[in-house]
Amino acid sequence: DPKIIQKPKYLVAVTGSEKILICEQYLGHNAMYWYRQSAKKPLEFMFSYSYQKLMDNQTASSRFQPQSSKKNHLDLQITALKPDDSATYFCASSQVFGGSYEQYFGPGTRLTVL
Amino acid sequence: QQKVQQSPESLSVPEGGMASLNCTSSDRNFQYFWWYRQHSGEGPKALMSIFSDGDKKEGRFTAHLNKASLHVSLHIRDSQPSDSALYFCAARGSALGRLHFGAGTQLIVIP
Repeated sequence: DPKIIQKPKYLVAVTGSEKILICEQYLGHNAMYWYRQSAKKPLEFMFSYSYQKLMDNQTASSRFQPQSSKKNHLDLQITALKPDDSATYFCASSQVFGGSYEQYFGPGTRLTVL
Repeated sequence: QQKVQQSPESLSVPEGGMASLNCTSSDRNFQYFWWYRQHSGEGPKALMSIFSDGDKKEGRFTAHLNKASLHVSLHIRDSQPSDSALYFCAARGSALGRLHFGAGTQLIVIP
């Protein structure tokens, strides 16, 4: 059974619209992260949360808003979508924030903005 | 500026051969290093971690770390077609949780 679930697998949106990417982890981890992978850039860190608190934010734009309703959930809301937002978005988790703890990645949501 | 540089960008090796991947970082705060592997259409999966100077061997995979030169390498012996994937070097400091990834090395193992 998959331990990190991301929904949907594929997402197509029009410029200017808003979408929410879903992430749930069933590993019992206390830290969760979002990363983005596009053809232009390598895997790029976006946000990190520990016990549902924002720990680190590398995303300059306020159009990207993480939402943590439960300890094992970290959704990503993206507003005013632009074609440059097209990428695969990966959710990850680790047992503890930082240190030597491995991050486990989900299967990703591939977002295409037309 | 990207803090983790990988080489080569792509690498083809015959089945049964040795693949060598390299990674150099520019941040001396990095203390923890991983090699991740990503098959097409999937998320990255950690292959090996290395935190101390020297070699670490797990089966066909050997990682090497030299903290003085901030250089990490991964050697895959007896390469198999199933090893064909995108390999990432990732690094992290002690304070923050974010992983810094290199651009990746595309490994192709030719049967």
